[in-house]
Amino acid sequence: EPEVTQTPSHQVTQMGQEVILRCVPISNHLYFYWYRQILGQKVEFLVSFYNNEISEKSEIFDDQFSVERPDGSNFTLKIRSTKLEDSAMYFCASRGPRNEQFFGPGTRLTVL
Amino acid sequence: GEDVEQSLFLSVREGDSSVINCTYTDSSSTYLYWYKQEPGAGLQLLTYIFSNMDMKQDQRLTVLLNKKDKHLSLRIADTQTGDSAIYFCAEMRDYKLSFGAGTTVTVRA
Repeated sequence: EPEVTQTPSHQVTQMGQEVILRCVPISNHLYFYWYRQILGQKVEFLVSFYNNEISEKSEIFDDQFSVERPDGSNFTLKIRSTKLEDSAMYFCASRGPRNEQFFGPGTRLTVL
Repeated sequence: GEDVEQSLFLSVREGDSSVINCTYTDSSSTYLYWYKQEPGAGLQLLTYIFSNMDMKQDQRLTVLLNKKDKHLSLRIADTQTGDSAIYFCAEMRDYKLSFGAGTTVTVRA
């Protein structure tokens, strides 16, 4: 069964550093998402992406964040200058033709 | 309210049925989802339902939808120890998901 994959599973970084989180969505899906889950809090929408551009972004998704689909398979989330409060689980998701949304296993980002 | 709401905890005996409840917000047609999250793992899509349906059954899982009350429930029949996890209800709004806080289900022997 096709699945969304994410790398790395855990990323530790120093405050102010740039990180890139990677995702490979399900191959025939067209809509991609990033969500995050701060420890003990709800899963929150960050950004949606379709046809090589951002469809919608939340208030959280400020200028420090960017997304890219550099090739036909990868979908990346870049945080330019990480802050302590960026520590969270980051989930990639892709949406299928029947509106089912499949999530990857997540990347745990720890900012020190 | 504007949030998807869930009860936070449920304890159930192995072999019994679990019922996890959720209230959602959107009165228009929408999709509603149940996800399972085991410790340290991602969000596994269990099932989903369109709001014009009243019920959906998939093996041990039954989803019931009361559109009038905006109430969604997930019933797990014959609950097993492997069902211990956090269960998230989510509502699709403008093609993005809005999640509840999750219900932690603990299965006791």
